[in-house]
Amino acid sequence: DAEITQSPRHKITETGRQVTLACHQTWNHNNMFWYRQDLGHGLRLIHYSYGVQDTNKGEVSDGYSVSRSNTEDLPLTLESAASSQTSVYFCASSRPGTDTQYFGPGTRLTVL
Amino acid sequence: QKEVEQNSGPLSVPEGAIASLNCTYSDRGSQSFFWYRQYSGKSPELIMSIYSNGDKEDGRFTAQLNKASQYVSLLIRDSQPSDSATYLCAVNLDRGSTLGRLYFGRGTQLTVWP
Repeated sequence: DAEITQSPRHKITETGRQVTLACHQTWNHNNMFWYRQDLGHGLRLIHYSYGVQDTNKGEVSDGYSVSRSNTEDLPLTLESAASSQTSVYFCASSRPGTDTQYFGPGTRLTVL
Repeated sequence: QKEVEQNSGPLSVPEGAIASLNCTYSDRGSQSFFWYRQYSGKSPELIMSIYSNGDKEDGRFTAQLNKASQYVSLLIRDSQPSDSATYLCAVNLDRGSTLGRLYFGRGTQLTVWP
């Protein structure tokens, strides 16, 4: 079955380290999104992509980057992890021309 | 400022009752509206989408949209303890765009007690 996966599911890292969170979908969706979810803030958009080589900043993009080299993957990189980036991260995707998003299982990241 | 607002809750209803969840949004030109359910420790899952004014029913769930009032709601009939979750309202606030960027409310926590 087509699906969207994220790895790792849990990650503990130290301040200043570079961290990459993976997102992989087998639906052949063009549109992919990264969110973080924190208590009191709900889901906030970090970066998004509408296709290969396309990337866009969301509302909380500082300290994060993405690259899109193929349709299936949109890895999220924290260049130098900070304690404020401790959060649950969700990846989502949608078909071209639609805005119905389907979410991956999430990654819980702790920055010590 | 693009905003989606939900009653913060928590909302508590007895089993078998109707649960009513409400959401308002900032842009009258918005075209796409979604309700997601999120169980504790899990990812959001799509319950319903609605695009036209009026009601849309799917089983025990009814979404209601009033674009003039910038208001969308979700009714859950015959509530069950398994409906206990956080419900997220999401709106495409990018006027005229179908590319898919959604804005989410902070969610309303629903508890259905036996």
